[in-house]
Amino acid sequence: AQSVTQLGSHVSVSEGALVLLRCNYSSSVPPYLFWYVQYPNQGLQLLLKYTSAATLVKGINGFEAEFKKSETSFHLTKPSAHMSDAAEYFCAVSDQGAQKLVFGQGTRLTINP
Amino acid sequence: EPEVTQTPSHQVTQMGQEVILRCVPISNHLYFYWYRQILGQKVEFLVSFYNNEISEKSEIFDDQFSVERPDGSNFTLKIRSTKLEDSAMYFCASRGLGYTFGSGTRLTVV
Repeated sequence: AQSVTQLGSHVSVSEGALVLLRCNYSSSVPPYLFWYVQYPNQGLQLLLKYTSAATLVKGINGFEAEFKKSETSFHLTKPSAHMSDAAEYFCAVSDQGAQKLVFGQGTRLTINP
Repeated sequence: EPEVTQTPSHQVTQMGQEVILRCVPISNHLYFYWYRQILGQKVEFLVSFYNNEISEKSEIFDDQFSVERPDGSNFTLKIRSTKLEDSAMYFCASRGLGYTFGSGTRLTVV
């Protein structure tokens, strides 16, 4: 079975600071990995995805994530936080043949002015 | 940009009542899903639907739940007899090359 662990249910950074949201996964087969963002009262918006091509994946809004097989990690980063980045972030995994996504618990990102 | 549309955005129902949550997936997508998110918890898979039948379902998706694609455009989730613990945000998604999620329906069972 696949699983995702997001370290830190709440992360707070200052505007302009580096954003680092951690995600570790467990999968017995090569995974597909995703980061989604959820703004208040909205649905899940795809930030980026890894599907076995380049290990460094660039997404929308300046976010990127690096797939590290040896560490079973897929951490999300952004060099400089913006107030509009405040939201809930979810890491998710699927295997390459399955259809369903398995989500982590989510990390609420707060940006301090 | 194509969207997945869910209605209603918020529904309050009494325990024991039936509810139907509605979704209009993206028109050329072939795979459809329901997920739920209990307040403060993670998003959980409920069911996937392809070619007019359920392709996978989770342990949560028991006999109280059913899905239907009644007219080729809508995709519905029915809960026959709601329980307090069914209170959650329910997300519909459809998949073509990638997933697209709807904005969700917040179901409150009182």
